[in-house]
Amino acid sequence: KNQVEQSPQSLIILEGKNCTLQCNYTVSPFSNLRWYKQDTGRGPVSLTIMTFSENTKSNGRYTATLDADTKQSSLHITASQLSDSASYICVVILLTGGGNKLTFGTGTQLKVEL
Amino acid sequence: DVKVTQSSRYLVKRTGEKVFLECVQDMDHENMFWYRQDPGLGLRLIYFSYDVKMKEKGDIPEGYSVSREKKERFSLILESASTNQTSMYLCASSLLAPEQFFGPGTRLTVL
Repeated sequence: KNQVEQSPQSLIILEGKNCTLQCNYTVSPFSNLRWYKQDTGRGPVSLTIMTFSENTKSNGRYTATLDADTKQSSLHITASQLSDSASYICVVILLTGGGNKLTFGTGTQLKVEL
Repeated sequence: DVKVTQSSRYLVKRTGEKVFLECVQDMDHENMFWYRQDPGLGLRLIYFSYDVKMKEKGDIPEGYSVSREKKERFSLILESASTNQTSMYLCASSLLAPEQFFGPGTRLTVL
């Protein structure tokens, strides 16, 4: 069972609408949580990073929230654009004796349509 | 901007062939990583390296080896490619923090 679960698996929305992607994790203790955007056929690109003490972090139209008590994070996209069509990956980072260990979610595939 | 490049975007090989995937980063990063990405499984770490000539196994190292002769270059080697190694391979690099910068990926098909 993946220790980082994302929902929904896929999502289709109309351009201009808002949407929220969810990430639930069981790995602990974690040092920080990161959201990546991956365009089709490309490598992931970092959107936001939050430490366990942060509740929210924004990057333009992207806002990530974190509830370390319930081990949930969400990524909210405002006023979606066609270019937001991509896979969004949640990554939980543990600080271990051997260094940072990244655990990746399987991603949410977002499609924005006209 | 950090740039991570991978030698091929698409690669088709036959079962049993030896396959080399090359990754180069231009930011003098200490750490480099190789992942594979499969539908429904997310990214899984194959190998990583924290210095020249140093390597560590990740979560799924079986069937792979790596080489890091120079700081900027990290190679993934499939000694004898098999069909279950058909996947998207992603290279990443980082300096110290867990921020990893990814390359564009190589989609490998093994026939």
